[in-house]
Amino acid sequence: GENVEQHPSTLSVQEGDSAVIKCTYSDSASNYFPWYKQELGKRPQLIIDIRSNVGEKKDQRIAVTLNKTAKHFSLHITETQPEDSAVYFCAASIVGNTGKLIFGQGTTLQVKP
Amino acid sequence: NAGVTQTPKFRVLKTGQSMTLLCAQDMNHEYMYWYRQDPGMGLRLIHYSVGEGTTAKGEVPDGYNVSRLKKQNFLLGLESAAPSQTSVYFCASSYNPGPQNEQFFGPGTRLTVL
Repeated sequence: GENVEQHPSTLSVQEGDSAVIKCTYSDSASNYFPWYKQELGKRPQLIIDIRSNVGEKKDQRIAVTLNKTAKHFSLHITETQPEDSAVYFCAASIVGNTGKLIFGQGTTLQVKP
Repeated sequence: NAGVTQTPKFRVLKTGQSMTLLCAQDMNHEYMYWYRQDPGMGLRLIHYSVGEGTTAKGEVPDGYNVSRLKKQNFLLGLESAAPSQTSVYFCASSYNPGPQNEQFFGPGTRLTVL
């Protein structure tokens, strides 16, 4: 089955710096890659996703890149702000299947003011 | 709309006790999922359902049972709780696994098994 590895497990940056979180997946059939943000004590919420037919997607300060050949994808946050502090999860899935998401282990991002 | 709700929010059980967690959604979603979240292990899929009356096993199904008698509800049961089942449980739902795969999560249930 699918396996998703996520690195790093913790990341600390200064406000205004960029943050990058990387994930690799094992199942070449996976074609949908969402990123979820979970603030302390809250539920996970989708912040951005990418499908295998594109290599990059941006939404204001966040972007996701996908390399299908290498089977890895990354989340990029620019101009980080204290409210970006949270746990971020990547996931992989197959569109049109059961919708099952296989999640990475999570990255705790701390943005220091 | 309430979205996805979970009952209860917190629960403490003794080893061997049983309980049922209720997940309800008012978005007319076909697909529903139960995850558990443990430190350093992300979210792991326990069971899922692709429609009323259907259920299937996920990554970590042992020790849990589920039922989807109504489209809007997905129940997770623990027949004989064990300390290893201490976790935060999240329910999620999605309209369908087509072009928009987004899963909407409930607020979670924190379960402690002593």
